[in-house]
Amino acid sequence: EPEVTQTPSHQVTQMGQEVILRCVPISNHLYFYWYRQILGQKVEFLVSFYNNEISEKSEIFDDQFSVERPDGSNFTLKIRSTKLEDSAMYFCASSLIRDRVNSGANVLTFGAGSRLTVL
Amino acid sequence: KNQVEQSPQSLIILEGKNCTLQCNYTVSPFSNLRWYKQDTGRGPVSLTIMTFSENTKSNGRYTATLDADTKQSSLHITASQLSDSASYICVVSVMDSNYQLIWGAGTKLIIKP
Repeated sequence: EPEVTQTPSHQVTQMGQEVILRCVPISNHLYFYWYRQILGQKVEFLVSFYNNEISEKSEIFDDQFSVERPDGSNFTLKIRSTKLEDSAMYFCASSLIRDRVNSGANVLTFGAGSRLTVL
Repeated sequence: KNQVEQSPQSLIILEGKNCTLQCNYTVSPFSNLRWYKQDTGRGPVSLTIMTFSENTKSNGRYTATLDADTKQSSLHITASQLSDSASYICVVSVMDSNYQLIWGAGTKLIIKP
């Protein structure tokens, strides 16, 4: 079964440092997403990406965050200057098409997550 | 305000027993409703996705129901197994230009032997 892979599984960093989280979406998927989940809280949407540009982003996704698809397979999330409150699980997801009614093919497939701990 | 509320917050049952998890939503306009299973430290995995016209959908021992009039959904798990221990998250999609997803906080289910 195709899967979304994420690296690293866990990263510990000092406050103020830059972090890059990497994702390899499912190969024929076209839409890519980043979500985060602070321990014990709800999953929160960060950003969606299609056709090499951001299609939607939440208010969480401020100037310290950026996404990139540097080649045909990787999708990265960069946090420029990490803060303590950035500590969370970051999930990458991909879908074949954009979320629409009556479409089963749009179900998001999530990766296992990257746990970021900011000290 | 678009919201998804789940109950109970947590649930402990014995292996082999059945259970039902609840989801109430105030999302408009409604697009679809999904149930995800999230193992501890892992990403959510889709169990079912239901549109407005679907009342019931099954996936093995998981059966989801949807009442679009009362804006309620349930996830019924039959003959629970230890591997069912996880958080179960209800997610509702808004039929707006962005089809944003409204996430519930999840129900943490623990199956005891």
